[in-house]
Amino acid sequence: QVTLKESGPVLVKPTETLTLTCTVSGFSLTKTTMGVTWIRQPPGKALEWLAHIFSNDEKSYSTSLKSRLTISKDTSKSQVVLTITNMDPVDTATYFCARGDYNSALDYWGQGTLVTVSS
Amino acid sequence: DIQMTQSPSSLSASVGDRVTITCRASQGIRNDLAWYQQKPGKAPQRLIYAASRGGVPSRFSGSGSGKEFTLTISSLQPEDFATYYCLQHSAYPWTFGQGTKVEIK
Repeated sequence: QVTLKESGPVLVKPTETLTLTCTVSGFSLTKTTMGVTWIRQPPGKALEWLAHIFSNDEKSYSTSLKSRLTISKDTSKSQVVLTITNMDPVDTATYFCARGDYNSALDYWGQGTLVTVSS
Repeated sequence: DIQMTQSPSSLSASVGDRVTITCRASQGIRNDLAWYQQKPGKAPQRLIYAASRGGVPSRFSGSGSGKEFTLTISSLQPEDFATYYCLQHSAYPWTFGQGTKVEIK
């Protein structure tokens, strides 16, 4: 059974760095074609693709946010970590992680975690 | 980056109606297009991938290739009132459409 679960702070202050963790189970982060993607959704707005890490550890980032994002994984813990620097109130959103690859798109999603940016 | 334009942004329909949502890509993406359904407070759920694969339940179907794609709900059910998104999974960075909210008429 494939599951993903996001965790991280509920509230961050402007200019701080956000660190989110996606803990996965039911699939390997290294032995399949499947990677993990982070997506976010501001309240009442559309989904926004942020970053993806491949099973071979290659990465891809949103063009508009690339300078602020870092994605990495800890295979021993079955975790994928996303950091976003210099947080701003416009970054307030629900952050999702999802499993995906070129063939299947994003097939399994976590429940999401709401992050609010406020002083 | 590939831009995805979804239309309409919202629609009102009745139970039993046939509903069609369109997604257009700014460049050709072969058949690398997925559709998602999202209900309030929930994570999106994949309905269709590779333009026409999936389709669970069977009243959901997808078609298209290249730049233009369609999601069709053959007979709208009460549980189908939600927001629908397309996603191109052809070239990184992947990109979503702006969403289509399907509301009760």
